[in-house]
Amino acid sequence: NAGVTQTPKFRVLKTGQSMTLLCAQDMNHEYMYWYRQDPGMGLRLIHYSVGEGTTAKGEVPDGYNVSRLKKQNFLLGLESAAPSQTSVYFCASSYSAGTDTQYFGPGTRLTVL
Amino acid sequence: TQLLEQSPQFLSIQEGENLTVYCNSSSVFSSLQWYRQEPGEGPVLLVTVVTGGEVKKLKRLTFQFGDARKDSSLHITAAQPGDTGLYLCAGANGGATNKLIFGTGTLLAVQP
Repeated sequence: NAGVTQTPKFRVLKTGQSMTLLCAQDMNHEYMYWYRQDPGMGLRLIHYSVGEGTTAKGEVPDGYNVSRLKKQNFLLGLESAAPSQTSVYFCASSYSAGTDTQYFGPGTRLTVL
Repeated sequence: TQLLEQSPQFLSIQEGENLTVYCNSSSVFSSLQWYRQEPGEGPVLLVTVVTGGEVKKLKRLTFQFGDARKDSSLHITAAQPGDTGLYLCAGANGGATNKLIFGTGTLLAVQP
């Protein structure tokens, strides 16, 4: 049982390049989330999904797109990377809403030059 | 916009000391969670509090949810080097999506 995994762990991009971050969970969770973590700002929600085939915007969605074609996978895309997107990205999943626990992946450290 | 402010932002103490971390907001939350994050890893849930005034204890850690469900505190007794990490509070806004609003974080270093 691997829990939540993220690929890649590190990446360096040049401004304007595109990339996709992959999140996979093996816990059969319905809910999945993408956050970014910046110093002094905690975690901020980018996009989330409440089930296969659904996505919704979070607090800071601009410059990102997501897809949830399979229940176990949640992809985060950057179409044209900007230096302001330099951050650590975390994926999380939970079984249900309310007070349920969110399980986090190990993170992806992205640097945009 | 709901905000959660944590204080202090940084805390460096000696092993055996006690400490309290605060998490404050002007908004009401349906529940509040505390996570601990170690370097290079994702946050891990410590506790969830759901009732105003609720107190939960986890070994040397005591969590309290404010009566008005706008604030929370984490008290650690006799801190150990293993307690070192980033502590994050997170408020849930209720509803069907389980969205969390995370606090700004408190970085704790416990020196042996």
